Amino acid sequence: DQQVKQNSPSLSVQEGRISILNCDYTNSMFDYFLWYKKYPAEGPTFLISISSIKDKNEDGRFTVFLNKSAKHLSLHIVPSQPGDSAVYFCAASEQAGTALIFGKGTTLSVSS
Amino acid sequence: EPEVTQTPSHQVTQMGQEVILRCVPISNHLYFYWYRQILGQKVEFLVSFYNNEISEKSEIFDDQFSVERPDGSNFTLKIRSTKLEDSAMYFCASRQDRGPAFFGQGTRLTVV
Repeated sequence: DQQVKQNSPSLSVQEGRISILNCDYTNSMFDYFLWYKKYPAEGPTFLISISSIKDKNEDGRFTVFLNKSAKHLSLHIVPSQPGDSAVYFCAASEQAGTALIFGKGTTLSVSS
Repeated sequence: EPEVTQTPSHQVTQMGQEVILRCVPISNHLYFYWYRQILGQKVEFLVSFYNNEISEKSEIFDDQFSVERPDGSNFTLKIRSTKLEDSAMYFCASRQDRGPAFFGQGTRLTVV
């Protein structure tokens, strides 16, 4: 029973173009959403988050969009850089302090 | 910058042996978590700990697992009798209240 789904296991993008990573969730109680970046043999690194009261949050090259009615969020990276190549995990939680539930991840490859 | 630290970075143990994985969370954080990632799979929630007790646990966190905060800084995960399928990367994370969880670099557990 996957509460957080990342249906694209991989994405390839050219340097300078936009990367769009997608995530769907099923639990309507989720109210806080995050994206993490992970390199092999390292822990997930927090990238950006959004609470359910917003529909967009931007931090530099990274923007997260939330569509609550569709239970969908996306991460946009513009412009993409080779150093962005990693596995990106979407995560969600219900309320303060509760566990983050992760999707399976999308491997992003940015070619120069 | 404060960070979550985990020791050891790699642990090899024989099947049936007990292991203790150690973590030092960020000092002013209130919530502590253990996650694991079996090779090639998603990051899975094991347990969360708040106010000196378990606040949530997953189905994976059965009787062979236990957690402890033995002093004001350490947070440990004990696996009593390891099985081959316990081989994974184990990540500790901590969180203030709302806001993101921050992860350690992980302990690679290999059960032989």
